[in-house]
Amino acid sequence: NAGVTQTPKFQVLKTGQSMTLQCAQDMNHEYMSWYRQDPGMGLRLIHYSVGAGITDQGEVPNGYNVSRSTTEDFPLRLLSAAPSQTSVYFCASSYWQGENEQFFGPGTRLTVL
Amino acid sequence: DAKTTQPPSMDCAEGRAANLPCNHSTISGNEYVYWYRQIHSQGPQYIIHGLKNNETNEMASLIITEDRKSSTLILPHATLRDTAVYYCIVRVDNNNDMRFGAGTRLTVKP
Repeated sequence: NAGVTQTPKFQVLKTGQSMTLQCAQDMNHEYMSWYRQDPGMGLRLIHYSVGAGITDQGEVPNGYNVSRSTTEDFPLRLLSAAPSQTSVYFCASSYWQGENEQFFGPGTRLTVL
Repeated sequence: DAKTTQPPSMDCAEGRAANLPCNHSTISGNEYVYWYRQIHSQGPQYIIHGLKNNETNEMASLIITEDRKSSTLILPHATLRDTAVYYCIVRVDNNNDMRFGAGTRLTVKP
């Protein structure tokens, strides 16, 4: 199994541009989530999904959209990038919402100029 | 606000036990204590969790005080590869919204 994969690894955007961060898992996990990590800080939950077709907001959802059309994929969309969205983004998955262990991807480092 | 308090940094000699403390004085009866670690900008990695009993697995031991207001993660024989940021998190069961604080940066020295 590849586990949780994220693309791209690095991305530079200009203010106002849009892009989609990709996340995929091959473990048949129902629960997937997106976190952001700012320098020197812990992770904060952006959005999560308990299964295909179901998404919900986390702690810091503003400026981000998600959808979950398949069990495997959970893309994160930035509609109009802002410098405040410069961060490292991690995708995570687990069998279900209350599972003890979440598996994290390697992260996407995003810079918005 | 983070519900846990951890020292910002600690050092440990290679081969010795690393004891990482965590205060969670406002923990509720249905909240578990979880530990994750993050090695050099990689994604966090699950270590161990517990409710009120001490727990041990192949990676670490978790000691929770009787009043559950604090806990200690023990890495019994720290290696250089254990250098990482360690996060203590309290979480209600059936809820994967884990609130990460700033964690403790553990440096294992030769």
